[in-house]
Amino acid sequence: GENVEQHPSTLSVQEGDSAVIKCTYSDSASNYFPWYKQELGKRPQLIIDIRSNVGEKKDQRIAVTLNKTAKHFSLHITETQPEDSAVYFCLILTGGGNKLTFGTGTQLKVEL
Amino acid sequence: EAQVTQNPRYLITVTGKKLTVTCSQNMNHEYMSWYRQDPGLGLRQIYYSMNVEVTDKGDVPEGYKVSRKEKRNFPLILESPSPNQTSLYFCASRGVGLAGDRGVYEQYFGPGTRLTVT
Repeated sequence: GENVEQHPSTLSVQEGDSAVIKCTYSDSASNYFPWYKQELGKRPQLIIDIRSNVGEKKDQRIAVTLNKTAKHFSLHITETQPEDSAVYFCLILTGGGNKLTFGTGTQLKVEL
Repeated sequence: EAQVTQNPRYLITVTGKKLTVTCSQNMNHEYMSWYRQDPGLGLRQIYYSMNVEVTDKGDVPEGYKVSRKEKRNFPLILESPSPNQTSLYFCASRGVGLAGDRGVYEQYFGPGTRLTVT
């Protein structure tokens, strides 16, 4: 499948600090870049996505940036709160958008 | 309420005993897929279906079968389960066309099925 690398695998921050998670991919045809959040014991849910014709997208405290030349995109969470503690996954779509490859996940822990 | 349902939610079985995990969605989505989630490996796609009677392999299809006879249902079949198929399984569906600001590719996941094969 598509080669997707996600880093770091774990991230611990103090409440109020920022967190950044990065994904690197190999298929230059990819044009849609979402991030999913999975809270403990729950299903993954889409939190933000970006298309390749846009370099950055923000939604309140979260943002996604894309560097298509370097083939990486990042999730930025500002002013982190305890409820941001979860596992975050990036996702790459290939095969016309039908074949999906998730990153291996980042366990984010926001400490009080 | 728009949702994806899976049954059973928990299953403990023995090696070689055929089982089926059902998945159903009520959003009239064309695309459905199955994933397994294992620690350190994230979510890996098993099979996907672009519409009725159209299925294709994901990254880890060995040991699994699927069928798509109706648009709303996409069951996952393990003909002869083995211990290495012990995992958390998620079904997901996705529509086509814009959905608000989310675009065309938002996936809606079921609640998951935790399978243990002894």
